[in-house]
Amino acid sequence: QTVVTQEPSLTVSPGGAVTLTCASSTGAVTSGFYPSWFQQKPGQAPRALVYSTSNKHSWTPARFSGSLLGGKAALTLSGVQPEDEAEYYCLLYYGGYWVFGGGTKLTVL
Amino acid sequence: EVQLVESGGGLVQPGGSLRLSCAASGFTLSTYEMNWVRQAPGKGLEWVSYISSSGNTMYYADSVNGRFTISRDNAKNSLYLQMNSLRAEDTAVYYCARGRALGPDYWGQGTLVTVSS
Repeated sequence: QTVVTQEPSLTVSPGGAVTLTCASSTGAVTSGFYPSWFQQKPGQAPRALVYSTSNKHSWTPARFSGSLLGGKAALTLSGVQPEDEAEYYCLLYYGGYWVFGGGTKLTVL
Repeated sequence: EVQLVESGGGLVQPGGSLRLSCAASGFTLSTYEMNWVRQAPGKGLEWVSYISSSGNTMYYADSVNGRFTISRDNAKNSLYLQMNSLRAEDTAVYYCARGRALGPDYWGQGTLVTVSS
């Protein structure tokens, strides 16, 4: 069974920076996994932020950026805003199926 | 404006069936891959199923393979999920999501499916 692992929780101060990571139980994450990232706030549907590792959607704020870091997919938030407090999920493609990470609860404090 | 509106959720007994629909507007459905994703109460997201733009290729999560069937009617701008042999663990909000570069971009607001006796 394929498992995608994210940090369960992270805390960041307003205006600060934080990096969320996404690891695969099968080994290093590469661009071939087409990593994507999603933000979900309580009671709302998920919202896509990044696709294919580092590409942003037209609505994605500039402070969000995606990359590969140390064999993992990564989402970096720079200049964090209070409204960035949310659950963040990564998604990896395994060639015929996809697996979401367990999510990272980001607290802005 | 891209819109995805799910319907068809509700309460069903274990072993029962339900058919979810997703009405698409604001874009040409026939040119996009589509997915179903679910979220059990208080839990994370789980990818459920994928269908190619033509409808010729479908993929399923192991947890639903053999019980769920994804389909689409591009002429009606609609996506479907036929769910059979439902179990308590299928209880979740079901989202339809448009595919882009092997990852969803637009999501609907979801429809709740509750499997309980």
